[in-house]
Amino acid sequence: DAKTTQPNSMESNEEEPVHLPCNHSTISGTDYIHWYRQLPSQGPEYVIHGLTSNVNNRMASLAIAEDRKSSTLILHRATLRDAAVYYCILSGPGGTSYGKLTFGQGTILTVHP
Amino acid sequence: AAGVIQSPRHLIKEKRETATLKCYPIPRHDTVYWYQQGPGQDPQFLISFYEKMQSDKGSIPDRFSAQQFSDYHSELNMSSLELGDSALYFCASSGEGGQYFGPGTRLTVL
Repeated sequence: DAKTTQPNSMESNEEEPVHLPCNHSTISGTDYIHWYRQLPSQGPEYVIHGLTSNVNNRMASLAIAEDRKSSTLILHRATLRDAAVYYCILSGPGGTSYGKLTFGQGTILTVHP
Repeated sequence: AAGVIQSPRHLIKEKRETATLKCYPIPRHDTVYWYQQGPGQDPQFLISFYEKMQSDKGSIPDRFSAQQFSDYHSELNMSSLELGDSALYFCASSGEGGQYFGPGTRLTVL
């Protein structure tokens, strides 16, 4: 499995944007970039995923580098409820039978009031 | 909206006992995944099923088995439980956009 690298931790203030980076220099042409987050005492939660183009949804935006060797999850206005561990994962397209998720070390996001 | 249901939410067993965890996926989701998360660790993939057939297998001990039934619910059977099996067990089902996780079953082996 292709490996991703994320910072151990990041901090933000409430209502400020947060940019969470992820490096995946060994990504293959068929790998999708997925982001999940896990709030304390809860199961992981799907955030967003993409292949080549930038993606937006109600939770976040995903900016993918042109060479696809890195990506950035953008939370436009952090809230206290966004404090969680964020995982960047390479996998299949999603919603498919081969979409197992390999969780590595994620980024612990702390949001200050 | 309906979510993934897992039962029981908490389970306490003795060493060498057997446990069965159940997962009810979101309606019309045809793929189920099982993950194990030990204390202070990241979730680890165990096994998955697509249309009632095993589709992928991760680091699942031979003491564990799982299946998906005709109504798409899945069960994870764990035998000869060991202290190290104490963990949170998450089930997820996949649909548009990604995998949707249940609240987990916390298994404690004494």
